[in-house]
Amino acid sequence: GENVEQHPSTLSVQEGDSAVIKCTYSDSASNYFPWYKQELGKRPQLIIDIRSNVGEKKDQRIAVTLNKTAKHFSLHITETQPEDSAVYFCAAKTSYDKVIFGPGTSLSVIP
Amino acid sequence: DTGVSQDPRHKITKRGQNVTFRCDPISEHNRLYWYRQTLGQGPEFLTYFQNEAQLEKSRLLSDRFSAERPKGSFSTLEIQRTEQGDSAMYLCASSFTDREQFFGPGTRLTVL
Repeated sequence: GENVEQHPSTLSVQEGDSAVIKCTYSDSASNYFPWYKQELGKRPQLIIDIRSNVGEKKDQRIAVTLNKTAKHFSLHITETQPEDSAVYFCAAKTSYDKVIFGPGTSLSVIP
Repeated sequence: DTGVSQDPRHKITKRGQNVTFRCDPISEHNRLYWYRQTLGQGPEFLTYFQNEAQLEKSRLLSDRFSAERPKGSFSTLEIQRTEQGDSAMYLCASSFTDREQFFGPGTRLTVL
């Protein structure tokens, strides 16, 4: 069935270092890959997304890469700041327009 | 506030009771999604609508769950004969076609 895996489940980095979160998906027809940030007690908010016709997208300190052949995509956060601490979810939209979320990565940025 | 709204924000009920949640999407959004999220997990897809048509429903959704979007605007999610395992945050999201989904604040359900 449709599945999105995400690693690591927890990640702790020093302020200013980079953080990388990796995801794999199972539905080869998936064509849209959003990343959401969820702070404690709040709703998920989109931080960046990528469609299958591009391999990389960057927005200031955040970048996402996509490898369709290998069916994996990654989130890169550079120059991390304490306010980046949150749970990050990757997701993939399936051929039936369902969005399947990964289990999440809890990122802690240590000042 | 022109974002997605959900009502109620919190619901406590006894096992066996029925509950109904409401979601009001962003006005020009034609797609509406329902998710369930438990602690430490990502949102789990339940169902989605394009306008008033329910296009997809999770196989995980039992017959106790039903959703409607009668006029293609707001949507309701009903859970009949609630069980303790139904305790979770129920999130609604809306989008315009296949663009970015905007989430509502969620309804936290506690089944005693």
